[in-house]
Amino acid sequence: DTAVSQTPKYLVTQMGNDKSIKCEQNLGHDTMYWYKQDSKKFLKIMFSYNNKELIINETVPNRFSPKSPDKAHLNLHINSLELGDSAVYFCASSPIGNEQFFGPGTRLTVL
Amino acid sequence: AQSVTQLGSHVSVSEGALVLLRCNYSSSVPPYLFWYVQYPNQGLQLLLKYTSAATLVKGINGFEAEFKKSETSFHLTKPSAHMSDAAEYFCAVTTNTGNQFYFGTGTSLTVIP
Repeated sequence: DTAVSQTPKYLVTQMGNDKSIKCEQNLGHDTMYWYKQDSKKFLKIMFSYNNKELIINETVPNRFSPKSPDKAHLNLHINSLELGDSAVYFCASSPIGNEQFFGPGTRLTVL
Repeated sequence: AQSVTQLGSHVSVSEGALVLLRCNYSSSVPPYLFWYVQYPNQGLQLLLKYTSAATLVKGINGFEAEFKKSETSFHLTKPSAHMSDAAEYFCAVTTNTGNQFYFGTGTSLTVIP
């Protein structure tokens, strides 16, 4: 009965590869998010979707493409991975104006 | 637009001592404020939230925070630190119609035995 789940938990890959991270929430929330947390623990919002529509798209390389097949899922696809993409990626969901519920994170390591 | 500032990226306290983590916010409309905790290698977990009801908010694990509009602050406190409180703490702000959270840069709490 996990509220926000992400797969995989760990992802190790070579530079130049393409990879995807999946996120699902069973809370019935309308809004979902992707965050990147760097080694200094800074949390940076990347994208936000509301009812499958993109509403926030921060300054993120266009190698990153979110996809929301329905309002319970928000996947993140990354093309041509670079060393600087190594980080922990968190998915979250929330109702408007209320707390965000976070997934456990995906630790991406690019070699 | 909203923002939060966390003063002190690292705070160390002795076990049993008072914990005080500072958060100041900026918001042009009434804010909703949150404190999250992140234990090592885990996701963020909500500690407590202020959404315009009581200004003193009690959360989990003995933490509380007080919303002070005159000081634009929402500092997190705990009377007596426990070793298990060692973690990263994030303050965040949104509004009742907002769909974006603004997180602070985090404060790493170390508890010294």
